[in-house]
Amino acid sequence: DAGVIQSPRHEVTEMGQEVTLRCKLISGHNSLFWYRQTMMRGLELLIYFNNNVPIDDSGMPEDRFSAKMPNASFSTLKIQPSEPRDSAVYFCASSLGLAGGYNEQFFGPGTRLTVL
Amino acid sequence: DAKTTQPPSMDCAEGRAANLPCNHSTISGNEYVYWYRQIHSQGPQYIIHGLKNNETNEMASLIITEDRKSSTLILPHATLRDTAVYYCIVIGNTGFQKLVFGTGTRLLVSP
Repeated sequence: DAGVIQSPRHEVTEMGQEVTLRCKLISGHNSLFWYRQTMMRGLELLIYFNNNVPIDDSGMPEDRFSAKMPNASFSTLKIQPSEPRDSAVYFCASSLGLAGGYNEQFFGPGTRLTVL
Repeated sequence: DAKTTQPPSMDCAEGRAANLPCNHSTISGNEYVYWYRQIHSQGPQYIIHGLKNNETNEMASLIITEDRKSSTLILPHATLRDTAVYYCIVIGNTGFQKLVFGTGTRLLVSP
């Protein structure tokens, strides 16, 4: 089975441009997580969806960031406008989301974003 | 969630056992100990988890002390491919639980 799929794997853009990162969940999973990793702040949870509904977006840095799940197997994370401080590796993870607590998360390979 | 403390780095010779410690002295009764690792340029990968009994799977063993205030992840025969950052995470078992990654232990396995 394919794991979590992220695209693009690398993105280089200029400040002010819109950036869209994409994630395809593992088939059968219903929970989706977006993380950001930088040297300074480590791995941080940005937002969590369960059954296509955003449950916790307290980690989203500011209004420039938005995330959607247009269907049960796909999600996008958009940054508009992008800034150099958004440069990071963005990971998507999915899980079964079974009721009653934590479930193992499966991470994608990440998208390395560089904003010049 | 309880805070965890791990050494920043450890070395291990290839073929030897790697024992990675984690302190979680404020763990509560319904919190599990989870271990993930992150190999360079990859996403984190689940290894193992436990509540109070020792656990073993194909990747590793997890030893949790009787008072549950600390645990040790054991890679019985470390290989070069086990070089990674290892994260010990304590997390509850009800409701939505965030994975909070600390700084972890950077394990270097050498020939």
